[in-house]
Amino acid sequence: EIVMTQSPATLSVSPGERATLSCRASQSISSNLAWYQQKPGQAPRLLIYGASTRATGIPARFSGSGSGTEFTLTISSLQSEDFAVYYCQQSSIWPLTFGGGTNVEI
Amino acid sequence: EVQLVESGGGLVQPGGSLRLSCAASGFTFSIYGMTWVRQAPGKGLEWVSVISDRGSIIYYADSVKGRFTVSRDNSKNTLYLEMNSLRAEDTAVYYCAKYALVGAARWFDLWGQGTLVTVSS
Repeated sequence: EIVMTQSPATLSVSPGERATLSCRASQSISSNLAWYQQKPGQAPRLLIYGASTRATGIPARFSGSGSGTEFTLTISSLQSEDFAVYYCQQSSIWPLTFGGGTNVEI
Repeated sequence: EVQLVESGGGLVQPGGSLRLSCAASGFTFSIYGMTWVRQAPGKGLEWVSVISDRGSIIYYADSVKGRFTVSRDNSKNTLYLEMNSLRAEDTAVYYCAKYALVGAARWFDLWGQGTLVTVSS
């Protein structure tokens, strides 16, 4: 099983600041990585797939990068609606696995 | 409207069974693979199972293998999860999601609102 490790567990930032979230895979997953955003009481929402492609309707302030084992989600200028938990997910090898999440808070 | 709506959750005793449903609308259900993902209270996301568009390819997480069965009825635009021998650690919100597939890459681009399963005596 591929273990996905996200860091930091909690990221404290202010509106307008840049946020950088990391996701590391225990072995190479090429670019088979997606990022999701989840707000309290809501279902997850797809942000990024293929490591760097924004999903439909996702603002340009969200960007993804990386390949192999190291990945990054960057939010260029945090808006109030961006405070949430973010998860990465690999699909290179079964079983599909998620990271533990990064809570982006004020 | 494009949506997924889960139902069937509730309180069940350890060792009991439950059947979850996920009704799809607003898209051509029969051409997409579907998945179940769960989230224990206060915890992260855990992938549970996946089924291909025609139901010919199925995978399970080791934690549910042999106890859970995923199926679909394309004539009813509905996905199912039959859960048997339930344990306390199966307590979670269960989400169904539609997945997109390109090569080896799979991502979940439409999620339901989730249904809560509580396993307790």
